[in-house]
Amino acid sequence: GDSVTQMEGPVTLSEEAFLTINCTYTATGYPSLFWYVQYPGEGLQLLLKATKADDKGSNKGFEATYRKETTSFHLEKGSVQVSDSAVYFCALSDQGGTSYGKLTFGQGTILTVHP
Amino acid sequence: SAVISQKPSRDICQRGTSLTIQCQVDSQVTMMFWYRQQPGQSLTLIATANQGSEATYESGFVIDKFPISRPNLTFSTLTVSNMSPEDSSIYLCSVGGLVETQYFGPGTRLLVL
Repeated sequence: GDSVTQMEGPVTLSEEAFLTINCTYTATGYPSLFWYVQYPGEGLQLLLKATKADDKGSNKGFEATYRKETTSFHLEKGSVQVSDSAVYFCALSDQGGTSYGKLTFGQGTILTVHP
Repeated sequence: SAVISQKPSRDICQRGTSLTIQCQVDSQVTMMFWYRQQPGQSLTLIATANQGSEATYESGFVIDKFPISRPNLTFSTLTVSNMSPEDSSIYLCSVGGLVETQYFGPGTRLLVL
């Protein structure tokens, strides 16, 4: 079945540091890929998405490129802020059959940014 | 995007009791999903609820434990039955949106004593 693997966490960075959170996936079809963010005490928010190979999703300075050849969707940001401290989830969406729309999540990566 | 509300936002319950969680959407949607997020864990899909049909449950989840209703295109309920401390989790509903995007409610934080 489908699966998503994220890099081990937690990740602790200083403000303005470069961020990479690795995400790889296994899927039988051609899934859409997502990054969701969960700020402390809040629900999940969609951060960015990509629906086909070589698409780049971007939002709030974050970027991720759908790499079919390496089955990856790594999240990057050039300069993190304290306000980026949150849990980040990589996810994929099945495209067909009875599982249409189902999201499969990675385990989540806790990011803490210090001033 | 869709605006989703859940009730209650949090609750503390005694073991053996049941709790019904409501999910309300501000627009008509075909597909609604219920997820569970156990403490420190990722999200796991419980079931898919489409209006006019029985909910489809994922492996490890059964209707007797998590009955779901979907009476119309803007509303769904999830009941956690005969609760035990292991059911302490955040329960989230989500709806399918444009280009397969899902939007999530704020979650219901459940503690079972």
